[in-house]
Amino acid sequence: KQEVTQIPAALSVPEGENLVLNCSFTDSAIYNLQWFRQDPGKGLTSLLLIQSSQREQTSGRLNASLDKSSGRSTLYIAASQPGDSATYLCAAHGGYSGGSNYKLTFGKGTLLTVNP
Amino acid sequence: SAVISQKPSRDICQRGTSLTIQCQVDSQVTMMFWYRQQPGQSLTLIATANQGSEATYESGFVIDKFPISRPNLTFSTLTVSNMSPEDSSIYLCSVSAGVVYEQYFGPGTRLTVT
Repeated sequence: KQEVTQIPAALSVPEGENLVLNCSFTDSAIYNLQWFRQDPGKGLTSLLLIQSSQREQTSGRLNASLDKSSGRSTLYIAASQPGDSATYLCAAHGGYSGGSNYKLTFGKGTLLTVNP
Repeated sequence: SAVISQKPSRDICQRGTSLTIQCQVDSQVTMMFWYRQQPGQSLTLIATANQGSEATYESGFVIDKFPISRPNLTFSTLTVSNMSPEDSSIYLCSVSAGVVYEQYFGPGTRLTVT
């Protein structure tokens, strides 16, 4: 079955630093990969979706890349701010072992703390 | 994108009782999903709810425990039946939109069973 791993589990950085969050998946036949943000006790906010035919997507200070052949995605956050503090989750859509293309397999997330 | 609301936002329930969670979307969507997030864990898909058909449950989840209704294209309910403390979790609904299946989530329902 599809498995998604996120490293590191937690990360603490000073404000202004650029940082990279890592996501790996075992079944490379994914349809898409989606990054989410979750604030404590809240639901998920979709940040970026990368289609399987794409290499990267950008939104503001966020840039997500996808390397299907190696089963990896990264989320790059530029000039981090205290408001970026949250848990970041990646989710793989589908795959041979992940089920239909609309089914998401989630990693456990990276808890990011940006210190002022 | 889609705007999703859930009711209740949180509840504390007694063992053996049932709770029904409502999910409302601001636009018509074909596919709705229900997830569970246990403490310290990531999200696990409970079932897919399509309007006009029975919900499709994932391995480990059964209809008797988690009955789902989907009466129209903007609304769904999930019932957590005969609750035990192990059911204490955040329950989230989501919808899939567009040809790329981007998913959007509601704010979640935090359930505590005592």
